[in-house]
Amino acid sequence: AQSVTQLGSHVSVSEGALVLLRCNYSSSVPPYLFWYVQYPNQGLQLLLKYTTGATLVKGINGFEAEFKKSETSFHLTKPSAHMSDAAEYFCAVRNQAGTALIFGKGTTLSVSS
Amino acid sequence: GAGVSQTPSNKVTEKGKYVELRCDPISGHTALYWYRQSLGQGPEFLIYFQGTGAADDSGLPNDRFFAVRPEGSVSTLKIQRTERGDSAVYLCASSGDTGGGGYTFGSGTRLTVV
Repeated sequence: AQSVTQLGSHVSVSEGALVLLRCNYSSSVPPYLFWYVQYPNQGLQLLLKYTTGATLVKGINGFEAEFKKSETSFHLTKPSAHMSDAAEYFCAVRNQAGTALIFGKGTTLSVSS
Repeated sequence: GAGVSQTPSNKVTEKGKYVELRCDPISGHTALYWYRQSLGQGPEFLIYFQGTGAADDSGLPNDRFFAVRPEGSVSTLKIQRTERGDSAVYLCASSGDTGGGGYTFGSGTRLTVV
């Protein structure tokens, strides 16, 4: 069965610092992986996705993630944090049947000036 | 419409009452999903529609929960005999394919059962 583990429920960085949000997955089939961001009182917005092909995926707002099969990881990074990046981030993997996404518990990113 | 619309945005109901939550997906999106998000948790899958039919309803927690999509567009999530544990944000999403490209989520309906 597919599952996702997000390491660290809360990450704090300074403005301009590197952002690293960790996600490890478990999947019995080649995974489709996603990162979503959720701002307060809003729905989830797709940041980026990995399906097949290039393992380094670039998304919106300067975020990127690298699929590493050997490490079963899909960590999200951004070279320089902005105050506007403060939000909840969710990693997800598509289920085997392709009918749903399985989400992690989320990581809250705080950015201080 | 331009995005996924969910109404109402907030709903407070008494324990035991019946509620309906509405989702209006992006025009032309054949795939529609319902998720439930409890405080401090990630979204949990409830049901997936492809067109008018429920292709996967394995996430519905019990028979008090039911969803329909009679014309392949708007969907309604129905909860009977609500319980306090049903309190959560109910999210709807739609997709133009089977989800390989990611979903577009609505802003959700916050349901509070008192």
